[in-house]
Amino acid sequence: NAGVMQNPRHLVRRRGQEARLRCSPMKGHSHVYWYRQLPEEGLKFMVYLQKENIIDESGMPKERFSAEFPKEGPSILRIQQVVRGDSAAYFCASSPRAREGEQYFGPGTRLTVT
Amino acid sequence: KQEVTQIPAALSVPEGENLVLNCSFTDSAIYNLQWFRQDPGKGLTSLLLIQSSQREQTSGRLNASLDKSSGRSTLYIAASQPGDSATYLCASDSNYQLIWGAGTKLIIKP
Repeated sequence: NAGVMQNPRHLVRRRGQEARLRCSPMKGHSHVYWYRQLPEEGLKFMVYLQKENIIDESGMPKERFSAEFPKEGPSILRIQQVVRGDSAAYFCASSPRAREGEQYFGPGTRLTVT
Repeated sequence: KQEVTQIPAALSVPEGENLVLNCSFTDSAIYNLQWFRQDPGKGLTSLLLIQSSQREQTSGRLNASLDKSSGRSTLYIAASQPGDSATYLCASDSNYQLIWGAGTKLIIKP
């Protein structure tokens, strides 16, 4: 059973470009979570999705950021018009259920904005 | 609003010592508490998960305890080794969101 997969592992974008981060949950997991770790800062919750639904996006910046988890395919975190402050490690996790279940983490995508 | 604090922020000890890392949380209404390890520039390795109904979990040289009433969890590392050097993070699961502490950076000196 493959773990949570994220790609790309490293992504370099120039200011103003778009960044697309992909997350494939573990087999059988229908709950996906995105977290961001800014340099020298702790991890922060961004968004929680179930298949085709955004359950909680309270941690997402109001502008430029969006997330989806379609019926088929991976979850996508999309950042439009990236700025240097978006440089961070973005981690995706999945779980088989929403509560009382362990979240399994992917290796992360390290985004660098130049 | 849940807040998670880890003390100390950094710790350096000689190899072979037993040590305790502390994690405190303000809201005792948690579903579980997880301990992770993060190596520099790397991802997150899950170490132990303690359900809210449990008091402790053990894995090899690691033992984690949970006291919901006092809002505390500890991670005990026995017979520390240089390979244990990493940042250790605790996270509370209060409502599917993981709320993270800032971590304890541990250095084990050979």
